Amino acid sequence: ETGVTQTPRHLVMGMTNKKSLKCEQHLGHNAMYWYKQSAKKPLELMFVYNFKEQTENNSVPSRFSPECPNSSHLFLHLHTLQPEDSALYLCASSLRDRVYEQYFGPGTRLTVT
Amino acid sequence: TQLLEQSPQFLSIQEGENLTVYCNSSSVFSSLQWYRQEPGEGPVLLVTVVTGGEVKKLKRLTFQFGDARKDSSLHITAAQPGDTGLYLCAATGANNLFFGTGTRLTVIP
Repeated sequence: ETGVTQTPRHLVMGMTNKKSLKCEQHLGHNAMYWYKQSAKKPLELMFVYNFKEQTENNSVPSRFSPECPNSSHLFLHLHTLQPEDSALYLCASSLRDRVYEQYFGPGTRLTVT
Repeated sequence: TQLLEQSPQFLSIQEGENLTVYCNSSSVFSSLQWYRQEPGEGPVLLVTVVTGGEVKKLKRLTFQFGDARKDSSLHITAAQPGDTGLYLCAATGANNLFFGTGTRLTVIP
């Protein structure tokens, strides 16, 4: 496989569920990102990991919990979400010194019921 | 907060027409990027512009960076249905990318 992959592509969950989103990159990058894309809002950066260390947390609620076990894998653990959390969640990766050149996965379309 | 405003928000045109979309800010940037996002996919980087006044061409797409490095435009010549998508400008700040509000383009065959 090449590029950035995300699973699942679609997810429907209730507000009391716990689920995880997975992202994997095969590009040899050392920085990974989670973004949220909602209708009528710009793409919002949620978390940044450089060399597996979290360097950015843009005031994201604690019901979103990221995990980066190595430079190729990134997870987003979800629990007790709200309907307004329904959105497309995008993962991206880049070389740490080429932040402007990010490669995105296809996203997970999340619906919270 | 640095803000990138894109206009128009939506654009629907006939195949073969030309169009220009804009990305504006009150901040100065060292570089600016344009991404295109097709339905069901993540954004894909099209170009990076670095120098004020710079013009870059990618087939039928022409990108320009403003002289003051605060704004940029994307011009598409003879649009095709394959150009349909969400066009996002982005800029680097504090070692992260932040994105504009986007222009959703539909090219009708």
